[in-house]
Amino acid sequence: GDSVTQMEGPVTLSEEAFLTINCTYTATGYPSLFWYVQYPGEGLQLLLKATKADDKGSNKGFEATYRKETTSFHLEKGSVQVSDSAVYFCAPTYNNAGNMLTFGGGTRLMVKP
Amino acid sequence: GAGVSQSPRYKVTKRGQDVALRCDPISGHVSLYWYRQALGQGPEFLTYFNYEAQQDKSGLPNDRFSAERPEGSISTLTIQRTEQRDSAMYRCASSRELAGHNEQFFGPGTRLTVL
Repeated sequence: GDSVTQMEGPVTLSEEAFLTINCTYTATGYPSLFWYVQYPGEGLQLLLKATKADDKGSNKGFEATYRKETTSFHLEKGSVQVSDSAVYFCAPTYNNAGNMLTFGGGTRLMVKP
Repeated sequence: GAGVSQSPRYKVTKRGQDVALRCDPISGHVSLYWYRQALGQGPEFLTYFNYEAQQDKSGLPNDRFSAERPEGSISTLTIQRTEQRDSAMYRCASSRELAGHNEQFFGPGTRLTVL
C-alpha cells in the first residue's frame, strides 16, 4: 500500500540553526503533500501543503517543495526558534484512495536556546 | 464552535466494555475522518465519510470497531468489547470539500485507556 518514510527523530538543534526533515512518499498516482505539526499539549494542525509537482508550500518560515522526480517533500527552515519545538508529520493524500492522510511516524524537533 | 470537537477528551474503561467516541466536525464540512494514534507514532487511518455515507472502512482493525454519521454531521466511533490493545488517541478530522488537496482540520482527540 501507499506509504511515507520520514526522518527519525529526535532532532536537537540550537536556536537559529538550519533545519531539514526528510520525507519520501510512495509514487502512486498524484498525491497532494502535507506537513502537519503537533506542538506540546496541542492537536495536529496543518503547517504547509503542495498539490502538484514543483509547488513550494511555505508557512511560518518553513518551506517544502514537491519533488516528483525524487518522490520527496523535505521540510526546511533557515533559522529555527525554541517555539518550533514540536513533532512534525509528513502526510500525502492519494486521490485514488479516498483522500485520507497517510502519516509518517513523525519527527520530534527540540530546539535549545 | 469554530473547530472540530471531540468527546470525551479522556476515557478510561475496563476490558470488555463498549465505548462510544463522538466527533462534531466544523459546520458544513463534507468529509469526516477517523484516525488512531499510538504513543510515539503517526496517526493511522480508520474510516471516513462523505456526508452521511461511509466511503472507506478499510482501516478499522476488526469488526469490534464501527462508525456512523447518520445525518452527515456528528459522527460516533464505537468500539465493542474493548481490549487493552485498543488503548490509543483517537483523532477526528473534517474537511470542507471532497478533493484530497483540502486541509483536514483535527479535533483535540480522545485518549482511550483500556485497563
